[in-house]
Parts: sequence; structure tokens; C-alpha cells
Amino acid sequence: EVQLVESGGGLVKPGGSLKLSCAASGFTFSSYAMSWVRQTPEKRLEWVATISSGGSYTYYPDSVKGRFTISRDNAKNTLYLQMSSLRSEDTAMYYCARWLLSYAMDYWGQGTSVTVSS
Amino acid sequence: DIQMTQSPASLSASVGETVTITCRASENIYSYLAWYQQKQGKSPQLLVYNAKTLAEGVPSRFSGSGSGTQFSLKINSLQPEDFGSYYCQHHYGTPYTFGGGTKLEIK
Repeated sequence: EVQLVESGGGLVKPGGSLKLSCAASGFTFSSYAMSWVRQTPEKRLEWVATISSGGSYTYYPDSVKGRFTISRDNAKNTLYLQMSSLRSEDTAMYYCARWLLSYAMDYWGQGTSVTVSS
Repeated sequence: DIQMTQSPASLSASVGETVTITCRASENIYSYLAWYQQKQGKSPQLLVYNAKTLAEGVPSRFSGSGSGTQFSLKINSLQPEDFGSYYCQHHYGTPYTFGGGTKLEIK
């Protein structure tokens, strides 16, 4: 059974940093591209980052580029999202998700909540 | 960036009815479209990719259609477990963007 379990969320002040983790199991983690997607309090879904299966390629939207870094440790079956210079608009539930080839995200974790507030 | 516009934003229907949700892309995305279902308090689940291919385990009462800029998700004979929110998302290159969602409620 495919499982993705996020952790590391919490309350952080504006300008602060936070690192999220996503532990994967039930599939060959190193064979799949992975993403982070967030859902705002208004329930809007926003793609945050994608990393290739081997970790060589990363992709970000302009809204987080230069502030967020996606990485992975295939030996530990774990995906990460390092977030810095956090803003109130980064407040959201953060999900990790697996890519079905390049088609769509076929498995999602349960999410970890990030709140940016003073 | 490609903008995805869903309609309606909310929809009320009864068990057994057939409903259709539409999604419009701001430019041609060919068939690079996915649909997700999200139930209250849960994470999104993939329903359809490549505009019309059902994801594994998705009931056949769901169907996707369209190409280019106009897409639709049709649910035949609504079941109680089908109520929730639905989102479209294009996968025609980055940045991947989602529609604003359609909340399907019980009438």
C-alpha cells in the first residue's frame, strides 16, 4: 500500500523558516517524481514544487522560487521541503504527492499544516 | 501562466442524478488535464488524467472528456460517497495550476 506521511508543520513567524518531511512507503520511491502542493485556508490548491526521481531536476512557481527548496533522500525514502522567508500567504496545508509518470499526482499524503503569523 | 476556470463553483444535486462540471483553460493544453476529488477533511484523490483516462479504482460512473481549452467531468447516477469538492489541474508543463474547485452538495 502506498503511503505518504508528512511532518514538520507548525506555527512560524513571518520571515522564519521551516522544513517539512514526507516519508514514503509501499512503492519504489526512487522511481517517481514527487511534488509538494498546498491548500490555502480558502481551499485553493497551489502547486509548490516538483523534483525528478533522481533529484537532479527541480521546478517551482515564481511565488516560492528562491525561498523554498525541494529535495529528496532516496536512501531514506523521504521527500523534503525547506521553506524560508516565510510570509503570511504561505499559510496552508502542505501535501506531498507522487507523480504518475508526467500525467498527474496519483497519491497524496494527509498533509501537514503551516501557519505563518506573528 | 495558464489559468484554469471551473464552473459552477457549487452545485446541489440528489442521489441518482447526473451532473457535469466544466473546466476551461486559458490556452490550449491539448489533453493534459486531470481531475481530483476531495472529501471534507481528506487529501485530494486522482480521478481522471489525460482528460479522459480513469485512475485505478475509480468507478465507471465517472467520465472525463474534452481537449484544447474545454473539458468536463461527468458523474452518472450520483452516489452518497460522490459528494465533496472537485478540482481540475493542467499538467501541460510548469507552473501546474488548478481550477478554483466545484463543491458538490446533497440537495
